[in-house]
Amino acid sequence: DTGVSQNPRHKITKRGQNVTFRCDPISEHNRLYWYRQTLGQGPEFLTYFQNEAQLEKSRLLSDRFSAERPKGSFSTLEIQRTEQGDSAMYLCASSPGAGHYNEQFFGPGTRLTVL
Amino acid sequence: SQQGEEDPQALSIQEGENATMNCSYKTSINNLQWYRQNSGRGLVHLILIRSNEREKHSGRLRVTLDTSKKSSSLLITASRAADTASYFCARGNNRLAFGKGNQVVVIP
Repeated sequence: DTGVSQNPRHKITKRGQNVTFRCDPISEHNRLYWYRQTLGQGPEFLTYFQNEAQLEKSRLLSDRFSAERPKGSFSTLEIQRTEQGDSAMYLCASSPGAGHYNEQFFGPGTRLTVL
Repeated sequence: SQQGEEDPQALSIQEGENATMNCSYKTSINNLQWYRQNSGRGLVHLILIRSNEREKHSGRLRVTLDTSKKSSSLLITASRAADTASYFCARGNNRLAFGKGNQVVVIP
């Protein structure tokens, strides 16, 4: 399967714990995106990378959130001191990056539950 | 309000019928994309329409764009049970802004 993969698919944690999610984009895609989706809502943009450079961050990405893409391939999203409000589906997407109109290819998501 | 915002609807139709859903936005766009999300395949890109296009087809899908009214519609013709999903429009090039989505249930 050469699509976007995300791990883990499900994560249950206690409030105050740190969690880290991983995203592996489609191999030739140089843009990578993170979104968050809560029940009944559309995805909300968090951040995106062009290769290893983080080009844009949403205000949703508080100081407790950090994302990296160290080698321009896979990316990690870490949430420190989790809160119950962080419970959501975290989606990763990638795109080729060529031109201005980019279809984004989404992974299956990581569902986070904070108890 | 959120950019790329559908008229939130829950449609329940019989297989073979057509389904239409709408999306409105407030600022100028370069393009508008439609995505489908279901439990089996996650979020999947359906079609992208550029601001200088008025209509676009892809298989049983037809998307229209009216930039003067800042609105778009997605038509699914001859619906199938597998079309049961949530449908989102999204504006933006990299930072996509999604609406709340339209829930479509196709009854076999």
